[in-house]
Amino acid sequence: GQSLEQPSEVTAVEGAIVQINCTYQTSGFYGLSWYQQHDGGAPTFLSYNALDGLEETGRFSSFLSRSDSYGYLLLQELQMKDSASYFCAVRGSNAGNMLTFGGGTRLMVKP
Amino acid sequence: DTEVTQTPKHLVMGMTNKKSLKCEQHMGHRAMYWYKQKAKKPPELMFVYSYEKLSINESVPSRFSPECPNSSLLNLHLHALQPEDSALYLCASSHRGSGTGGGGYTFGSGTRLTVV
Repeated sequence: GQSLEQPSEVTAVEGAIVQINCTYQTSGFYGLSWYQQHDGGAPTFLSYNALDGLEETGRFSSFLSRSDSYGYLLLQELQMKDSASYFCAVRGSNAGNMLTFGGGTRLMVKP
Repeated sequence: DTEVTQTPKHLVMGMTNKKSLKCEQHMGHRAMYWYKQKAKKPPELMFVYSYEKLSINESVPSRFSPECPNSSLLNLHLHALQPEDSALYLCASSHRGSGTGGGGYTFGSGTRLTVV
């Protein structure tokens, strides 16, 4: 099976940098993904790491260390619109290629 | 077209009703998924279809019945639901078994279901 741990809530101010950590345990590993979900909305894919290292996409970066079963999402130059829930998710090696989500981190950006 | 379209957006149904949720994608994805999401919780996998065949059923009660008529459509038939089944039902699709697109799923905006 798979399990993922991430903080339940993070608060930061506009313009700041915030890091959301994720540790995972999984049998079979095909990458760590990050999704953003605004209240009442659908999860939106942000980034994916299959290999160790940092992936950068605009203001968002994601990092993976497979040896530590650990990753993080880094959000820079925070904006009010970044207030949302952020989920890490792992793809397993099963036939369904299914994603299992962490519990989610609710990010609140304050002025 | 890079979207997953779900209908209806909202649904209120009684415990004796039969209703269906619909999902459509035209991205050529061959894997499609139903997830259930309760408030302030992560999405929980219900069913996986791969090449129009049901490949995973995560021990979902039989009052939920999935159907995949073709590679672009996914339905979820609902019958005799309970109030605790009220939730956001999300459909998603992805390329099957590859890292194409960075492993990302494309989610629909969901159907918010209320069982009364």
